[in-house]
Amino acid sequence: DQQVKQNSPSLSVQEGRISILNCDYTNSMFDYFLWYKKYPAEGPTFLISISSIKDKNEDGRFTVFLNKSAKHLSLHIVPSQPGDSAVYFCAASAYSGGGADGLTFGKGTHLIIQP
Amino acid sequence: EAGVVQSPRYKIIEKKQPVAFWCNPISGHNTLYWYLQNLGQGPELLIRYENEEAVDDSQLPKDRFSAERLKGVDSTLKIQPAELGDSAVYLCASSPRGAETQYFGPGTRLLVL
Repeated sequence: DQQVKQNSPSLSVQEGRISILNCDYTNSMFDYFLWYKKYPAEGPTFLISISSIKDKNEDGRFTVFLNKSAKHLSLHIVPSQPGDSAVYFCAASAYSGGGADGLTFGKGTHLIIQP
Repeated sequence: EAGVVQSPRYKIIEKKQPVAFWCNPISGHNTLYWYLQNLGQGPELLIRYENEEAVDDSQLPKDRFSAERLKGVDSTLKIQPAELGDSAVYLCASSPRGAETQYFGPGTRLLVL
């Protein structure tokens, strides 16, 4: 049973437009959510995160929105640039017993920015 | 600041052979994680260390996989014997104590023939 779901395996967006990547989760114990970006043959790179006590976090061109009642989060990239083409992973964690649990990842969305 | 270092980057072995992966976390990071990533999937946790103690190894297949983190810094993940289904990318990540953001190394890509 997948606890973190990214239902779009791929997304194509024109350069300069907004990219919106979606993620749903089922485990109500998750209290921290992260987005990672991954290029081929590299490890995931941390992009942005949000705590469950917030509904929005912004960092430059990247904004993450969290809707706890719907168990849904999204990543907005504005404006999209060619270097944003990569696989984006949504991840979630719960905090227990003095440390953060391992992350639970979705399967990823391959974002393609077209010139 | 140096990131998480992993070696080797690539490894090709025949089934039933042993293999080991090494990870050096970011300096000062007490928490270390090993993940397995299959093709087309997200990473899946194998084991989490707090300093030298394995605090969550519930997802580690203990019949063939083992891990250690002597002195609470570097870590080694071993598979013995390797099976065809172990072909995957093995990722190491670290974080400061109590932090929820994890930083990943480049991974070791294993191919078992």
